[in-house]
Amino acid sequence: QQQVKQSPQSLIVQKGGISIINCAYENTAFDYFPWYQQFPGKGPALLIAIRPDVSEKKEGRFTISFNKSAKQFSLHIMDSQPGDSATYFCAASSRGRGSTLGRLYFGRGTQLTVWP
Amino acid sequence: NAGVTQTPKFQVLKTGQSMTLQCAQDMNHNSMYWYRQDPGMGLRLIYYSASEGTTDKGEVPNGYNVSRLNKREFSLRLESAAPSQTSVYFCASRERGGGEQFFGPGTRLTVL
Repeated sequence: QQQVKQSPQSLIVQKGGISIINCAYENTAFDYFPWYQQFPGKGPALLIAIRPDVSEKKEGRFTISFNKSAKQFSLHIMDSQPGDSATYFCAASSRGRGSTLGRLYFGRGTQLTVWP
Repeated sequence: NAGVTQTPKFQVLKTGQSMTLQCAQDMNHNSMYWYRQDPGMGLRLIYYSASEGTTDKGEVPNGYNVSRLNKREFSLRLESAAPSQTSVYFCASRERGGGEQFFGPGTRLTVL
Protein backbone atom coordinates (compact mmCIF):
# COMPACT_ATOMS: atom_id res chain seq x y z
CA GLN A 1 0.00 0.00 0.00
CA GLN A 2 1.43 3.31 -1.05
CA GLN A 3 1.85 5.53 2.00
CA VAL A 4 2.20 8.80 0.09
CA LYS A 5 0.33 9.51 -3.14
CA GLN A 6 1.67 12.19 -5.47
CA SER A 7 0.15 13.94 -8.48
CA PRO A 8 0.52 14.79 -11.26
CA GLN A 9 3.05 12.37 -12.71
CA SER A 10 4.24 15.03 -15.14
CA LEU A 11 3.77 18.77 -15.40
CA ILE A 12 4.59 21.27 -18.13
CA VAL A 13 4.65 24.94 -17.21
CA GLN A 14 5.63 28.05 -19.08
CA LYS A 15 8.47 30.18 -17.78
CA GLY A 16 7.16 32.59 -15.16
CA GLY A 17 4.16 30.43 -14.34
CA ILE A 18 3.26 28.64 -11.10
CA SER A 19 3.98 24.94 -10.71
CA ILE A 20 1.84 23.02 -8.22
CA ILE A 21 2.46 19.44 -7.11
CA ASN A 22 0.17 17.70 -4.66
CA CYS A 23 0.63 14.87 -2.16
CA ALA A 24 -1.73 13.01 0.16
CA TYR A 25 -1.10 10.63 3.04
CA GLU A 26 -3.12 8.44 5.39
CA ASN A 27 -0.87 7.81 8.37
CA THR A 28 -1.65 10.46 11.00
CA ALA A 29 1.59 9.62 12.78
CA PHE A 30 3.60 11.31 10.04
CA ASP A 31 5.17 14.48 11.38
CA TYR A 32 7.83 15.46 8.86
CA PHE A 33 7.09 16.27 5.21
CA PRO A 34 10.07 17.02 2.93
CA TRP A 35 10.24 17.68 -0.78
CA TYR A 36 13.21 16.43 -2.77
CA GLN A 37 14.46 17.70 -6.13
CA GLN A 38 16.33 15.46 -8.55
CA PHE A 39 18.17 16.50 -11.71
CA PRO A 40 18.98 13.90 -14.40
CA GLY A 41 21.94 11.73 -13.46
CA LYS A 42 22.01 12.98 -9.87
CA GLY A 43 20.73 11.81 -6.53
CA PRO A 44 17.71 13.52 -4.95
CA ALA A 45 18.47 16.52 -2.74
CA LEU A 46 16.34 18.13 -0.05
CA LEU A 47 14.52 21.21 -1.35
CA ILE A 48 12.24 22.23 1.51
CA ALA A 49 10.50 20.54 4.44
CA ILE A 50 7.65 21.25 6.84
CA ARG A 51 6.37 19.93 10.16
CA PRO A 52 2.61 19.83 10.88
CA ASP A 53 2.66 22.60 13.48
CA VAL A 54 2.62 25.19 10.66
CA SER A 55 0.37 25.46 7.58
CA GLU A 56 2.87 27.03 5.24
CA LYS A 57 6.61 27.36 4.79
CA LYS A 58 8.30 29.53 2.20
CA GLU A 59 11.88 29.52 0.98
CA GLY A 60 12.47 31.86 -1.92
CA ARG A 61 10.23 30.84 -4.82
CA PHE A 62 9.32 27.51 -3.17
CA THR A 63 6.38 27.15 -0.77
CA ILE A 64 4.93 24.14 1.02
CA SER A 65 1.25 24.37 1.92
CA PHE A 66 0.09 21.87 4.54
CA ASN A 67 -3.49 20.89 5.36
CA LYS A 68 -3.47 18.63 8.40
CA SER A 69 -7.22 17.93 8.47
CA ALA A 70 -7.24 16.89 4.81
CA LYS A 71 -3.92 15.04 5.15
CA GLN A 72 -2.57 16.80 2.12
CA PHE A 73 0.44 18.94 1.34
CA SER A 74 1.62 20.64 -1.80
CA LEU A 75 4.64 22.30 -3.34
CA HIS A 76 4.22 25.61 -5.14
CA ILE A 77 6.98 26.97 -7.34
CA MET A 78 6.42 30.62 -8.14
CA ASP A 79 7.91 32.27 -11.23
CA SER A 80 9.00 28.86 -12.55
CA GLN A 81 12.29 28.87 -14.45
CA PRO A 82 13.80 26.43 -16.99
CA GLY A 83 16.42 25.61 -14.33
CA ASP A 84 13.59 24.24 -12.16
CA SER A 85 13.03 21.43 -14.68
CA ALA A 86 13.61 18.30 -12.61
CA THR A 87 11.80 15.47 -10.88
CA TYR A 88 10.21 16.34 -7.56
CA PHE A 89 9.41 13.84 -4.81
CA CYS A 90 7.29 14.40 -1.74
CA ALA A 91 7.89 12.25 1.30
CA ALA A 92 6.75 11.71 4.87
CA SER A 93 8.12 10.16 8.04
CA SER A 94 7.20 9.68 11.66
CA ARG A 95 8.92 9.26 14.96
CA GLY A 96 8.30 5.52 14.78
CA ARG A 97 9.44 2.96 17.25
CA GLY A 98 12.69 1.06 16.99
CA SER A 99 13.96 0.35 13.50
CA THR A 100 11.27 2.37 11.70
CA LEU A 101 12.46 5.56 13.32
CA GLY A 102 13.16 8.15 10.66
CA ARG A 103 12.17 6.02 7.67
CA LEU A 104 10.96 8.19 4.77
CA TYR A 105 8.04 7.14 2.58
CA PHE A 106 8.26 8.68 -0.91
CA GLY A 107 5.66 9.60 -3.50
CA ARG A 108 6.27 8.36 -7.03
CA GLY A 109 7.57 11.68 -8.30
CA THR A 110 6.54 14.46 -10.66
CA GLN A 111 8.58 15.31 -13.72
CA LEU A 112 8.44 19.09 -14.15
CA THR A 113 9.33 20.74 -17.45
CA VAL A 114 9.48 24.53 -17.63
CA TRP A 115 9.43 25.89 -21.16
CA PRO A 116 11.36 29.11 -21.85
CA ASN B 1 33.41 16.28 3.56
CA ALA B 2 32.29 13.98 0.72
CA GLY B 3 28.78 13.20 2.07
CA VAL B 4 27.49 9.90 0.67
CA THR B 5 29.67 8.10 -1.85
CA GLN B 6 28.77 5.08 -3.98
CA THR B 7 30.80 2.74 -6.13
CA PRO B 8 30.68 1.83 -8.91
CA LYS B 9 28.87 4.53 -10.92
CA PHE B 10 27.96 2.16 -13.75
CA GLN B 11 27.87 -1.62 -14.03
CA VAL B 12 26.75 -4.15 -16.62
CA LEU B 13 26.13 -7.72 -15.49
CA LYS B 14 25.00 -10.89 -17.16
CA THR B 15 22.05 -12.79 -15.73
CA GLY B 16 23.21 -14.95 -12.83
CA GLN B 17 26.30 -12.94 -12.00
CA SER B 18 26.78 -11.46 -8.54
CA MET B 19 28.05 -8.12 -7.40
CA THR B 20 28.21 -5.81 -4.41
CA LEU B 21 27.34 -2.13 -4.46
CA GLN B 22 29.34 -0.11 -1.96
CA CYS B 23 28.17 2.91 0.02
CA ALA B 24 29.93 5.06 2.58
CA GLN B 25 29.02 8.24 4.46
CA ASP B 26 31.21 10.59 6.46
CA MET B 27 28.48 12.50 8.33
CA ASN B 28 28.41 10.16 11.34
CA HIS B 29 24.79 9.25 10.61
CA ASN B 30 23.21 6.30 12.34
CA SER B 31 20.68 5.34 9.66
CA MET B 32 21.46 4.22 6.12
CA TYR B 33 19.20 3.17 3.25
CA TRP B 34 19.26 1.49 -0.14
CA TYR B 35 16.69 2.49 -2.78
CA ARG B 36 16.07 1.55 -6.35
CA GLN B 37 14.60 4.01 -8.83
CA ASP B 38 12.65 2.89 -11.87
CA PRO B 39 10.67 5.07 -14.32
CA GLY B 40 7.22 5.87 -12.96
CA MET B 41 7.85 3.99 -9.72
CA GLY B 42 9.68 6.62 -7.73
CA LEU B 43 12.13 5.59 -5.02
CA ARG B 44 11.47 2.19 -3.54
CA LEU B 45 13.20 1.14 -0.37
CA ILE B 46 15.11 -2.13 -0.61
CA TYR B 47 16.74 -2.41 2.82
CA TYR B 48 17.65 -0.05 5.59
CA SER B 49 19.76 0.03 8.70
CA ALA B 50 18.45 2.19 11.52
CA SER B 51 21.72 1.87 13.40
CA GLU B 52 24.98 -0.03 13.27
CA GLY B 53 24.34 -3.73 13.75
CA THR B 54 20.72 -3.73 12.57
CA THR B 55 19.15 -4.17 9.14
CA ASP B 56 15.53 -4.42 8.04
CA LYS B 57 13.66 -5.17 4.86
CA GLY B 58 11.99 -2.39 2.93
CA GLU B 59 9.37 -2.62 0.20
CA VAL B 60 11.33 -4.65 -2.39
CA PRO B 61 13.98 -6.82 -0.64
CA ASN B 62 13.72 -9.98 -2.76
CA GLY B 63 16.95 -10.82 -4.58
CA TYR B 64 19.10 -8.56 -2.39
CA ASN B 65 21.16 -8.80 0.76
CA VAL B 66 22.83 -6.08 2.80
CA SER B 67 25.66 -5.71 5.25
CA ARG B 68 26.15 -2.83 7.68
CA LEU B 69 29.90 -3.20 7.89
CA ASN B 70 30.36 -0.37 10.41
CA LYS B 71 28.77 2.99 11.08
CA ARG B 72 30.13 4.45 7.83
CA GLU B 73 29.52 1.65 5.34
CA PHE B 74 26.41 -0.14 4.08
CA SER B 75 26.72 -2.53 1.13
CA LEU B 76 24.07 -4.08 -1.12
CA ARG B 77 24.65 -7.48 -2.70
CA LEU B 78 22.97 -9.10 -5.65
CA GLU B 79 23.69 -12.83 -5.39
CA SER B 80 22.27 -13.84 -8.78
CA ALA B 81 21.39 -10.86 -10.91
CA ALA B 82 18.20 -10.84 -12.99
CA PRO B 83 17.10 -8.45 -15.76
CA SER B 84 14.35 -7.20 -13.41
CA GLN B 85 17.11 -5.74 -11.24
CA THR B 86 18.14 -3.33 -13.98
CA SER B 87 17.72 0.00 -12.22
CA VAL B 88 19.43 2.99 -10.69
CA TYR B 89 20.41 2.32 -7.08
CA PHE B 90 20.74 5.06 -4.50
CA CYS B 91 22.25 4.89 -1.06
CA ALA B 92 21.22 7.44 1.55
CA SER B 93 21.94 8.30 5.15
CA ARG B 94 20.12 10.20 7.85
CA GLU B 95 20.52 10.99 11.49
CA ARG B 96 18.37 8.57 13.46
CA GLY B 97 16.26 11.27 15.07
CA GLY B 98 15.06 12.56 11.71
CA GLY B 99 15.85 15.56 9.55
CA GLU B 100 17.40 15.65 6.12
CA GLN B 101 18.19 12.43 4.31
CA PHE B 102 21.29 12.71 2.13
CA PHE B 103 21.58 10.72 -1.08
CA GLY B 104 24.60 9.44 -2.95
CA PRO B 105 25.07 9.98 -6.71
CA GLY B 106 23.67 6.57 -7.65
CA THR B 107 24.79 3.40 -9.43
CA ARG B 108 23.29 2.64 -12.81
CA LEU B 109 23.04 -1.14 -13.14
CA THR B 110 22.12 -3.04 -16.29
CA VAL B 111 21.52 -6.79 -16.20
CA LEU B 112 21.55 -8.47 -19.60
